[in-house]
Amino acid sequence: QQQVKQSPQSLIVQKGGISIINCAYENTAFDYFPWYQQFPGKGPALLIAIRPDVSEKKEGRFTISFNKSAKQFSLHIMDSQPGDSATYFCAAKFQGAQKLVFGQGTRLTINP
Amino acid sequence: DAEITQSPRHKITETGRQVTLACHQTWNHNNMFWYRQDLGHGLRLIHYSYGVQDTNKGEVSDGYSVSRSNTEDLPLTLESAASSQTSVYFCASSESGAGEAFFGQGTRLTVV
Repeated sequence: QQQVKQSPQSLIVQKGGISIINCAYENTAFDYFPWYQQFPGKGPALLIAIRPDVSEKKEGRFTISFNKSAKQFSLHIMDSQPGDSATYFCAAKFQGAQKLVFGQGTRLTINP
Repeated sequence: DAEITQSPRHKITETGRQVTLACHQTWNHNNMFWYRQDLGHGLRLIHYSYGVQDTNKGEVSDGYSVSRSNTEDLPLTLESAASSQTSVYFCASSESGAGEAFFGQGTRLTVV
């Protein structure tokens, strides 16, 4: 079963718009929630991450919003640019463990 | 600069053959992981290791094996390749307690 569910599978946003990708989880034993960005032909790379003791983390145009009670977290990309076009993965790490479980991925396209 | 490298980048093999994918990291990380990436499934964990001589099964380990004889390398072996194992394989490593995983460039494997 998919431990982290990600939506949408694909997303098209106009340049300058806000891109929003959502993830939901069931297991309350997760203690670290990263977002990875992947360009074609490359491996995923860490974009931004959050721990469950905060509700929001912002780094430049990228923000994670975290709702512990709803067991949901989302990635917001403000002022989206064509260079943001990539596949985005949410993930979660079990407390006390090192392995990550990933969502299904979202293919984001920013139209110029 | 420290890095994680995978080889080969592309491989075509026949059904039933044994195949080994190499992963080498110079981060000196204790933790190493193998994932496969398939459309609609995201990244799924095959095997992982938390140190030399330690190996563990992930969620999709059937038909795969790993061994860890040193810190730097975690080769992935497909014992008898099947068409269902056609995929892109990613190796990753992380430092214990840090959360962030660093990924290689991936190996595209085609089983014909």
